[in-house]
Amino acid sequence: DQQVKQNSPSLSVQEGRISILNCDYTNSMFDYFLWYKKYPAEGPTFLISISSIKDKNEDGRFTVFLNKSAKHLSLHIVPSQPGDSAVYFCAASGIYGGATNKLIFGTGTLLAVQP
Amino acid sequence: KAGVTQTPRYLIKTRGQQVTLSCSPISGHRSVSWYQQTPGQGLQFLFEYFSETQRNKGNFPGRFSGRQFSNSRSEMNVSTLELGDSALYLCASSPSKGTDTQYFGPGTRLTVL
Repeated sequence: DQQVKQNSPSLSVQEGRISILNCDYTNSMFDYFLWYKKYPAEGPTFLISISSIKDKNEDGRFTVFLNKSAKHLSLHIVPSQPGDSAVYFCAASGIYGGATNKLIFGTGTLLAVQP
Repeated sequence: KAGVTQTPRYLIKTRGQQVTLSCSPISGHRSVSWYQQTPGQGLQFLFEYFSETQRNKGNFPGRFSGRQFSNSRSEMNVSTLELGDSALYLCASSPSKGTDTQYFGPGTRLTVL
């Protein structure tokens, strides 16, 4: 059962435009969501997170939106730069059955920013 | 602050052997989690340690085990290696238990022949 889903395996965007990456989840007990950027054969790099008590969090060019009723979150990158090209993973965790740092990851979206 | 370090970075083993991977968390971080990344299964949670205690375990066979030391460093062990254990093994650390941002190391690439 895939609790965190990223339905777009890939996305191509022009440099300077907005990149929007989407993520859906099924477990209503999740209360903390994160986005990571990953290059092949490297560990994921933390980008931005959001708690379920918020619906938006912004950090520089990155903004994460959370729609709890739809169980949907999105990552907006504005403006997109060629260096943003990587695989982006959304991840979720929740305080259920005791506090836990266990992250459930989506399958990832490959973002290609064209110069 | 130095990031999460993992050793070795690359490892080649044969079926039936056992392997130990090491992880040093960010200084001051007390929680360490391990993940396995494969092309077919994506990133999957293995286990989580805090204060030398395993707090959570993923859906992996008993051949996968781990431990954490008093200085928060952690090791994971895989016994009786199978071809399907070939993967990138990632360690992540965070300051405390509970929902918290986890910071990942570069990973250990294990190849089982």
